[in-house]
Parts: sequence; structure tokens; C-alpha cells
Amino acid sequence: QVTLKESGPGILQPSQTLSLTCTFSGFSLSTYGMGVGWIRQPSGKGLEWLANIWWDDDKYYNPSLKNRLTISKDTSNNQAFLKITNVDTADTATYYCARRTTVVAPWGQGVMVTVSS
Amino acid sequence: DVVMTQTPVSLSVSLGGQVSISCRSSQSLVHNNGNTYLSWYLQKPGQSPQLLIYKVSNRFSGISDRFSGSGSGTDFTLKISRVEPDDLGVYYCGQGTQYPYTFGAGTKLELK
Repeated sequence: QVTLKESGPGILQPSQTLSLTCTFSGFSLSTYGMGVGWIRQPSGKGLEWLANIWWDDDKYYNPSLKNRLTISKDTSNNQAFLKITNVDTADTATYYCARRTTVVAPWGQGVMVTVSS
Repeated sequence: DVVMTQTPVSLSVSLGGQVSISCRSSQSLVHNNGNTYLSWYLQKPGQSPQLLIYKVSNRFSGISDRFSGSGSGTDFTLKISRVEPDDLGVYYCGQGTQYPYTFGAGTKLELK
């Protein structure tokens, strides 16, 4: 059974760096074709794809967030990470990680992040 | 970016009824490898999105055959037959053909 769970700081202040962790089980990020993606959803709004990381360490970032994103992985501990620098209130959202192969499934339960001064 | 346009924004349905949701992309979703990476997701209240349909018409593991997807190129449709209470929520289409992956704004399915 594949499961993913996100963790994060809950609340942080503008200009800080948001660090998120996705801890997963049931698959390995060292397996050919495997990937993990990060997606976020402001409350009551739609979905925005942020970044992908693949088994071979190939990475993709959504250009809309310019150079604020860094995605990485720890294959040994079955974790993927996302950092977002210089956050502001517009980054307030629920952040999801999901396994990415030829499909995006399953998704984690999500972690709410609030940016507030 | 590929813009995904979903219609309608909301739908009211009676239990046991049938509904269709449309999704249109601003560019063809046919990948260079010949596959069309158009998926449908359902987000139930308070939950994360779950995959229903991938590559236009393939039901994901465990998904009822009451859900069916069709379409090609830039026009796609999700049909739900014999609607059950557990089908209520927000439906999203999403494309994985071209970076950045993008989603429609969602269609809320409610009981009439």
C-alpha cells in the first residue's frame, strides 16, 4: 500500500523560508519511473502544481514561482522535500505531495501552512 | 501554460442520476509519445484529491465503472452515472502532457 504524509511548520512569517517534508511508504524513489510531486491549494481555491522530482534526480519547477523553489529527496529514508524561500501571504495554502509515475496518485492528506505576521 | 477550462462550475444532481463535466484545454494534450495525459480527480469535502481517470479514459484502481472518461485533443468529458452520495465533491481535470502541469478550476457536484 502506497501512502504519503506531508509535514511542515504550520505557521511562519513573511520573508521566511518554508520547509516541507513528504514521508512516504510503499514505493522507492530509486525505482525507475518513480517521482514525487508537490501541489498546493489555497483555501477554497484550485490546485497549483509546484515541483516534481524523479528517481534519477531530474527536477521540474513551476516557472510561476521563479527561483523560490528547491525540491530534493532522501532515498534512504523515503522522503522528499520542498523549500520555498521568501514566503508571503499568497503562499498560505494546503500543500500536498503525491506519487508521480504516469499518474498522479495517491496524494497525501496535505499540510496547512499559514504565512502571517 | 496550458489553460484548462471546466464547465459547468457547479452541478446539481439527484441520486441515481447522470451528469457530465466538460474540460477543454488551450492546447492539444497529445504528447510527443502519442499518449494524452488528461486525468480527472475528485476532492471530497475535507479530503485530498483522488485520481479517478487517467490518460483520458482509463479508470484508476478501485474506481467504479460508473465513472467514464472520453475525448481527444483539446476536448474531454467525464460522465458519472447512477450518482451516489459518495460521489459528491469537487471534480478537477488536470493535464500532465506539458510542464507546468495545470488543472481546471473545478466543478462542484451537489445534491438537488
